[in-house]
Amino acid sequence: GAGVSQSPRYKVAKRGQDVALRCDPISGHVSLFWYQQALGQGPEFLTYFQNEAQLDKSGLPSDRFFAERPEGSVSTLKIQRTQQEDSAVYLCASSSRPGIDYGYTFGSGTRLTVV
Amino acid sequence: RKEVEQDPGPFNVPEGATVAFNCTYSNSASQSFFWYRQDCRKEPKLLMSVYSSGNEDGRFTAQLNRASQYISLLIRDSKLSDSATYLCVVNSRSGAGSYQLTFGKGTKLSVIP
Repeated sequence: GAGVSQSPRYKVAKRGQDVALRCDPISGHVSLFWYQQALGQGPEFLTYFQNEAQLDKSGLPSDRFFAERPEGSVSTLKIQRTQQEDSAVYLCASSSRPGIDYGYTFGSGTRLTVV
Repeated sequence: RKEVEQDPGPFNVPEGATVAFNCTYSNSASQSFFWYRQDCRKEPKLLMSVYSSGNEDGRFTAQLNRASQYISLLIRDSKLSDSATYLCVVNSRSGAGSYQLTFGKGTKLSVIP
């Protein structure tokens, strides 16, 4: 596709519910990041994939958070037993190369509200 | 201490003004640097990369001082459309072939007619 696509755009979940957030990166992009952005804050790193390999998951806040990218393209971020503090915008970003010298293209994000 | 620090603002400036944003980072091993722009309720978008030699893109000039671990962004002749939050971003290698973009909290700019 022309850009990074994320779905759903908005998600309201009841506390304790499981949610799955989808990221469809630009076709052929090798690197994929997930970020969490709370209101009034900058995005915070969650996890990084290079193709299907999850090379860094140090930013995942708890074992309720799980991300996968089984075929090296679409990625899913799953949050189990959602809590109110999980309310945030979840951003996905991708890049064609796994280097450090390139900016990344972000999707529009999924705004998760836990009630 | 946060890894990337920025003055949160807000900066309220009249149209045509020159405004400067500053950013400091704590990881001396950081290897690449960027400014992103984020409009309200939108995703961050890459504004420009930042190099030690300094780089310019129209009305925007970015500068990096590695010795001081300091990054700046200068906007000349501000336009109403420049109103947004400007995010200072540092890219570092984090082991096992992984990379990590670290964002500041952002500086909010409002350009006033």
